[in-house]
Amino acid sequence: EAQVTQNPRYLITVTGKKLTVTCSQNMNHEYMSWYRQDPGLGLRQIYYSMNVEVTDKGDVPEGYKVSRKEKRNFPLILESPSPNQTSLYFCASSKQGALNSPLHFGNGTRLTVT
Amino acid sequence: DQQVKQNSPSLSVQEGRISILNCDYTNSMFDYFLWYKKYPAEGPTFLISISSIKDKNEDGRFTVFLNKSAKHLSLHIVPSQPGDSAVYFCAASARSGGGADGLTFGKGTHLIIQP
Repeated sequence: EAQVTQNPRYLITVTGKKLTVTCSQNMNHEYMSWYRQDPGLGLRQIYYSMNVEVTDKGDVPEGYKVSRKEKRNFPLILESPSPNQTSLYFCASSKQGALNSPLHFGNGTRLTVT
Repeated sequence: DQQVKQNSPSLSVQEGRISILNCDYTNSMFDYFLWYKKYPAEGPTFLISISSIKDKNEDGRFTVFLNKSAKHLSLHIVPSQPGDSAVYFCAASARSGGGADGLTFGKGTHLIIQP
């Protein structure tokens, strides 16, 4: 089954403790992206990657890092999480760039930073 | 500055009737528009899209209309079914404008289909 898989689904952590949210897709998509969803703000893009070893900032990149060492994986790294990063995070992928083909989303990771 | 606006946080429609979800945008560079549907505890799923060279695109019960002069698009669902109850996100991009490769999303409209 074609899918985007995120782990974990739920995560509670404390301020400053580094964490990684993994994302993997099995559709051989070149493009991958991370979004966060907050009440009243909709979905906002954090980082995206057009292909392996190519990453770029989205609209709200501060406090986040990503890497794209392999085509299928695009982990989101929070080096020093803060409470304002409490949010619902979605990973997405598409065959080409987000502008040219629809995005396939994972089921989300709900992160709470205390 | 919100470039994609969905001014109705929620909408309640009777089963079998037409559901109309609205979306306004401010960026005249946007030339590609999409609708996504989201159920609780799941990621958004792509529903339908429209390019700015068209004013209508239809897929089964779903039709999207684009009015470029008014910078307005709408999603029509006919007839509405209980499974259509979800949050609907409008999204837009400027495919020919360069810049960050991403979609700009609205805040979403929660559609509730009443039996």
